[in-house]
Amino acid sequence: GAVVSQHPSWVICKSGTSVKIECRSLDFQATTMFWYRQFPKQSLMLMATSNEGSKATYEQGVEKDKFLINHASLTLSTLTVTSAHPEDSSFYICSYTGTGLVQETQYFGPGTRLLVL
Amino acid sequence: GESVGLHLPTLSVQEGDNSIINCAYSNSASDYFIWYKQESGKGPQFIIDIRSNMDKRQGQRVTVLLNKTVKHLSLQIAATQPGDSAVYFCAEGYGNNRLAFGKGNQVVVIP
Repeated sequence: GAVVSQHPSWVICKSGTSVKIECRSLDFQATTMFWYRQFPKQSLMLMATSNEGSKATYEQGVEKDKFLINHASLTLSTLTVTSAHPEDSSFYICSYTGTGLVQETQYFGPGTRLLVL
Repeated sequence: GESVGLHLPTLSVQEGDNSIINCAYSNSASDYFIWYKQESGKGPQFIIDIRSNMDKRQGQRVTVLLNKTVKHLSLQIAATQPGDSAVYFCAEGYGNNRLAFGKGNQVVVIP
């Protein structure tokens, strides 16, 4: 199956700083990627969708200027949480669909735990 | 949308018994469904999927059943093992290959 990695696996930062999370597909070309946020004991909430080389499409209620997404290549996507605040503390997970895979099946990264102090 | 609530429904099952996890979906037009397993602190792991033109699909120790009439999806795990302890999410496909996730069910396997 498709292998997806995320870096870092966890990060602690001060309020007001920016944090960048990387998501890489290791063994396939990822045509579409998704970023999710998950709070404790809750389900995954889709934040945005992006295709390689295109601007991300954000879900309703997600601030595009706060959560910057860059999908510059078929194997790398980044999510930058700008001016992070304690309420942004969450588990951020990326996923990909890709060439040669079932179109709708998303393969997930291991997640990044963000704690904003 | 975002799930509300701090307590996941929990299924406690004896090791070796079969588990059944249920899920109701909302959109009668959805034609693709997936079950994911999420262990603590990890990303979701694909288990099995099914399209709306089927009502049953089997994998290794898992079976997914789809009842479109009542918009119900279930996951059956045969001979449940300690490694099956996790939170299980159903998800339905909607526009642009996006997935909408259900609220999740915690499965606890008792040795």
